[in-house]
Amino acid sequence: ETGVTQTPRHLVMGMTNKKSLKCEQHLGHNAMYWYKQSAKKPLELMFVYNFKEQTENNSVPSRFSPECPNSSHLFLHLHTLQPEDSALYLCASSQVVGYYYEQYFGPGTRLTVT
Amino acid sequence: AQKITQTQPGMFVQEKEAVTLDCTYDTSDQSYGLFWYKQPSSGEMIFLIYQGSYDEQNATEGRYSLNFQKARKSANLVISASQLGDSAMYFCAMRESGGSNYKLTFGKGTLLTVNP
Repeated sequence: ETGVTQTPRHLVMGMTNKKSLKCEQHLGHNAMYWYKQSAKKPLELMFVYNFKEQTENNSVPSRFSPECPNSSHLFLHLHTLQPEDSALYLCASSQVVGYYYEQYFGPGTRLTVT
Repeated sequence: AQKITQTQPGMFVQEKEAVTLDCTYDTSDQSYGLFWYKQPSSGEMIFLIYQGSYDEQNATEGRYSLNFQKARKSANLVISASQLGDSAMYFCAMRESGGSNYKLTFGKGTLLTVNP
């Protein structure tokens, strides 16, 4: 495996379900990110982890709970979601957090909340 | 005010021709980075090119070049010799040095369609 992988690629869940999204990077990076991409809206940063420590929570509702057990893995735990949470969730990584480091993205998880 | 403005929701170009995708940005930081990403219909965001605020030369990567005009705060992407596989959404993004996390801010994107 190379680059950034995300599983599952597609997820349909009810509002009372609990599910988790997984992201893994094989680039030796130390910073990982979760983004949300909704239709007709710019990409929104959700969380930032730098060397496993959460350094940003961009006012994300508590029904989204991130976890970063090591620099290669990032999870997004989901519970009691709303239909408006349906979106493409993208994971990204960069060498470290810094303005001149490009971020590499995974293919995303297309989430539908019914 | 928007940090990143992409004024072209959609663009069409004929195969083998060049196309320019516009991007203007707003920042008070002296140090910042500008990025272009491509997102095909499959959803993956693909990094294309980077321009640092202190770089004097315009960045180039293969068929991609970035027309950086710092005084105008513009960072347009030029794709030369368009190919059918270039059809995708293109996002301009900026990362400022201020703040604690160097947040990457994206524009709304431009949908490029390459016609045969």
